Amino acid sequence: SQQGEEDPQALSIQEGENATMNCSYKTSINNLQWYRQNSGRGLVHLILIRSNEREKHSGRLRVTLDTSKKSSSLLITASRAADTASYFCATDGGGRETSGSRLTFGEGTQLTVNP
Amino acid sequence: NAGVTQTPKFRVLKTGQSMTLLCAQDMNHEYMYWYRQDPGMGLRLIHYSVGEGTTAKGEVPDGYNVSRLKKQNFLLGLESAAPSQTSVYFCASCARAPASGLMGFGPGTRLTVL
Repeated sequence: SQQGEEDPQALSIQEGENATMNCSYKTSINNLQWYRQNSGRGLVHLILIRSNEREKHSGRLRVTLDTSKKSSSLLITASRAADTASYFCATDGGGRETSGSRLTFGEGTQLTVNP
Repeated sequence: NAGVTQTPKFRVLKTGQSMTLLCAQDMNHEYMYWYRQDPGMGLRLIHYSVGEGTTAKGEVPDGYNVSRLKKQNFLLGLESAAPSQTSVYFCASCARAPASGLMGFGPGTRLTVL
């Protein structure tokens, strides 16, 4: 079963607008990561937030983490057509013996940024 | 430094045929992974390895076998392909446990089983 679930499944916005994607997970974690996938390509790491952090920034990306709600959000500000991609959250299932050795991915949010 | 490479990029098999997918990384990474991705879905872990000579099962290991005889290579085998194994397969690697570091992905292998 998937550890992370993204919401919404698909998001379409105009260039310049902000895009917000949410991720919910089920078990405790050490950290949560966000990845991007362009159509037909492999995933690319965007940002990692640790369980003791609440917010993190990287360029136009802002990630929040609420461990009490087991949820995270990814905000992309001033979106560009080149941001069109699928975005996935990934968790390590912290607390279990094998947790640190593997990542579990959500089903992703397909973001379309229209020029 | 080529990063993570996968061979082949595309393959069409008939039901019952066997094949091996090769993943290679030139970054001296300890951890390597095989995921599959089906349309509109995230990645599901098939098998992984935390070092040369070790392998472990992921979420969906049935119908697949793996080997990590050399640190830089991670092979995924399908002994008797089934249509349900039609998917895009991604290999990934990282230097340390992925929970604490970056995971780099290969470009994917698109497999169709007829």
